[in-house]
Amino acid sequence: GAVVSQHPSWVICKSGTSVKIECRSLDFQATTMFWYRQFPKQSLMLMATSNEGSKATYEQGVEKDKFLINHASLTLSTLTVTSAHPEDSSFYICSARAGTGSLETQYFGPGTRLLVL
Amino acid sequence: QKEVEQNSGPLSVPEGAIASLNCTYSDRGSQSFFWYRQYSGKSPELIMSIYSNGDKEDGRFTAQLNKASQYVSLLIRDSQPSDSATYLCAGGVFGNEKLTFGTGTRLTIIP
Repeated sequence: GAVVSQHPSWVICKSGTSVKIECRSLDFQATTMFWYRQFPKQSLMLMATSNEGSKATYEQGVEKDKFLINHASLTLSTLTVTSAHPEDSSFYICSARAGTGSLETQYFGPGTRLLVL
Repeated sequence: QKEVEQNSGPLSVPEGAIASLNCTYSDRGSQSFFWYRQYSGKSPELIMSIYSNGDKEDGRFTAQLNKASQYVSLLIRDSQPSDSATYLCAGGVFGNEKLTFGTGTRLTIIP
């Protein structure tokens, strides 16, 4: 159980275009999902917390108008990178929170590699 | 500011030996702790979680928590080359949304 999927796994786009990444919890409902970004040989960086039915909470320094997050259902959150530029090239990873109390755990999706040319 | 600190390594351990990974945290309110394994180019994978003081064993893995010392560790027995990865320690509070991650320790098992 507790499987999280992401689509696409790889995306290459031209500078200035927008890219949408989907994160799905396959066998559980997730009221909260998280979006991370990881540059090569660097640690995970939390970008935002996505809550079903409400606005996402962005970490300091993350532009909410550039990284649009929609958590429209209990199993799906999307991250749209708008007007992507080469510096947005990175490994984007989502996670979903499962369980409550002492059983609360975050499970990660497989990640999406974005390359902006 | 809540912090989780790990030695970045690299930590090299001979195959078959015990690998010991350590983590300290600054927030005394932290209640839950997690160890994730991340292979190069892949996303993190949950290895162990621990909430109570003491040891928790799962196969070759043992997580240890000492809340008084604000210290979490992960022991890997009979280390295998396939254990070579970066290990991330994370701490959180029940019901709080975010986990605080350490920067990870890179472990290399030498055949």
